[in-house]
Amino acid sequence: DAGVIQSPRHEVTEMGQEVTLRCKPISGHDYLFWYRQTMMRGLELLIYFNNNVPIDDSGMPEDRFSAKMPNASFSTLKIQPSEPRDSAVYFCASSPRRLGETQYFGPGTRLLVL
Amino acid sequence: AQKVTQAQTEISVVEKEDVTLDCVYETRDTTYYLFWYKQPPSGELVFLIRRNSFDEQNEISGRYSWNFQKSTSSFNFTITASQVVDSAVYFCALSEAGYDDMRFGAGTRLTVKP
Repeated sequence: DAGVIQSPRHEVTEMGQEVTLRCKPISGHDYLFWYRQTMMRGLELLIYFNNNVPIDDSGMPEDRFSAKMPNASFSTLKIQPSEPRDSAVYFCASSPRRLGETQYFGPGTRLLVL
Repeated sequence: AQKVTQAQTEISVVEKEDVTLDCVYETRDTTYYLFWYKQPPSGELVFLIRRNSFDEQNEISGRYSWNFQKSTSSFNFTITASQVVDSAVYFCALSEAGYDDMRFGAGTRLTVKP
């Protein structure tokens, strides 16, 4: 299996621009998670989906952030408009079932907002 | 509330030394899972081990070993005869019944010097 795939791996953009991060989970996994990692706050869960349905988005920092999962093999995390404080590494992870299952992480997208 | 505590922010050892990374967790559930992940300098998050709350048997995998003690709510990770390639940030995580997500500790940065 190819593992979780994320694109782009690196993104540099200017403040105010729209940013779209993409994720392809491992085939057959029912759960998809979006995390953000910063030095100050560590790993934060932003949102997760079960069978393409958003279950908990309480970690999304504000309305500028949105996430979708139109089908079982694709998800996007969008930031519009982006701000310098959004600079972080964004990880996508997937797992086959609920409790106790291992989450497998993608390589991450390193975002820099100037 | 902090669910997973990794009190050691940074550890530095010389190659071939043994090193133990501490993890203390907090939960009221009787069913839960504990995990360790490794984040090398390249940035990806690599799954190392999963342990369920009913299995207190220690685990050994090559130079890695894990000590799970429910009495002290700890799940410590020991690297024997450390190598430079072990240099990374190590995260401990907890998955509880009733929650779909994992709670990560703040991580311990391990530096192994030649």
